[in-house]
Amino acid sequence: GENVEQHPSTLSVQEGDSAVIKCTYSDSASNYFPWYKQELGKGPQLIIDIRSNVGEKKDQRIAVTLNKTAKHFSLHITETQPEDSAVYFCAASMGSSASKIIFGSGTRLSIRP
Amino acid sequence: IAGITQAPTSQILAAGRRMTLRCTQDMRHNAMYWYRQDLGLGLRLIHYSNTAGTTGKGEVPDGYSVSRANTDDFPLTLASAVPSQTSVYFCASSRVPRDQEQFFGPGTRLTVL
Repeated sequence: GENVEQHPSTLSVQEGDSAVIKCTYSDSASNYFPWYKQELGKGPQLIIDIRSNVGEKKDQRIAVTLNKTAKHFSLHITETQPEDSAVYFCAASMGSSASKIIFGSGTRLSIRP
Repeated sequence: IAGITQAPTSQILAAGRRMTLRCTQDMRHNAMYWYRQDLGLGLRLIHYSNTAGTTGKGEVPDGYSVSRANTDDFPLTLASAVPSQTSVYFCASSRVPRDQEQFFGPGTRLTVL
């Protein structure tokens, strides 16, 4: 069935280093791939998204890459800062269904000072 | 303040009781969604509504019902709560269905004993 797998489940990096989170999806018809950040006690918030006609997108220290052939996409955070500590979710739109977005299981990112 | 509100913030409920989680948005978004978040499973779609008067089933609809009588409100009802429905519930909305940023509420923490 439709599925999004996300790795790793936890990630700890030194402040200033880069962090990479990877996701794979099952539905070749998926064409929208958002990333959400969830801080403790809050709802998720969109940080960046990419559509299937684009291979890479950057927004300051955040970048997302998409490989449609391999059906995987990744989130890259450079020059990490303490405020980047949160849970990150990838997601993918699913095929012909009008409103379904399937989320990955999440990555808890911790930035070590 | 524009956004999504959810009520209650948290609730402890006896098994077998009926419960309605409330969700209201003031952004005039057409689409609304209900997710449940469980540790290690990410966010799973329960029900969605593309526009007022219509609803659809998500990944895990059993035991839940929704209605969308107007644009702003999207209540989620548990007709007879069971312990497996213990979770954090998030309501979200997007301007239009599909491939659009979803805005999440602060969540409702529900415990069924």
